[in-house]
Amino acid sequence: AQSVSQHNHHVILSEAASLELGCNYSYGGTVNLFWYVQYPGQHLQLLLKYFSGDPLVKGIKGFEAEFIKSKFSFNLRKPSVQWSDTAEYFCAVTPLYSGGGADGLTFGKGTHLIIQP
Amino acid sequence: DGGITQSPKYLFRKEGQNVTLSCEQNLNHDAMYWYRQDPGQGLRLIYYSQIVNDFQKGDIAEGYSVSREKKESFPLTVTSAQKNPTAFYLCASSTLGTGSEAFFGQGTRLTVV
Repeated sequence: AQSVSQHNHHVILSEAASLELGCNYSYGGTVNLFWYVQYPGQHLQLLLKYFSGDPLVKGIKGFEAEFIKSKFSFNLRKPSVQWSDTAEYFCAVTPLYSGGGADGLTFGKGTHLIIQP
Repeated sequence: DGGITQSPKYLFRKEGQNVTLSCEQNLNHDAMYWYRQDPGQGLRLIYYSQIVNDFQKGDIAEGYSVSREKKESFPLTVTSAQKNPTAFYLCASSTLGTGSEAFFGQGTRLTVV
């Protein structure tokens, strides 16, 4: 079975600081990788995903993530955060064999990001 | 307006009672899922279904039951056998296929007293 580890449970940054949230997964085969965000009071929504091709993927709101297969990592980055980025961020994985997620996603425990004005 | 509707948003039940959470989607998605979210635990998969009249247990299915009689509906029953039912429950749906994105509902917060 696969698992996901997010290194930072709580992160506090000032506006305009750079962000990197760590995500590592364990699974022996090929995977699809996702980052989801949950803004306060809102439903979970997709930030970006990787399933093949260029390992550097760009998502909404200026976020990007890099898949490094040798490190089993899929870290999320943003060069300059804003107060509106305050949210909970979840990394998720699903084996490619499952048809891209139809067996359900395995989530990390989440990172609570607070951006101070 | 396409999406996933969960109801109710808040639910209170007495210990020992079964309770059913509703999830409806109008996205024409084949797959539907139920997750449980607890603080500091992330989301854990309870049940999922890829087709009508079929469903599979996820990682924490004990104490829960589901049905999938219609493509657009996937209700979750939290039974009295669930030892710690107070949680935030999220329903999701997706198409089948590589790279499919899961779309989530707003969630139901269940409190058992």
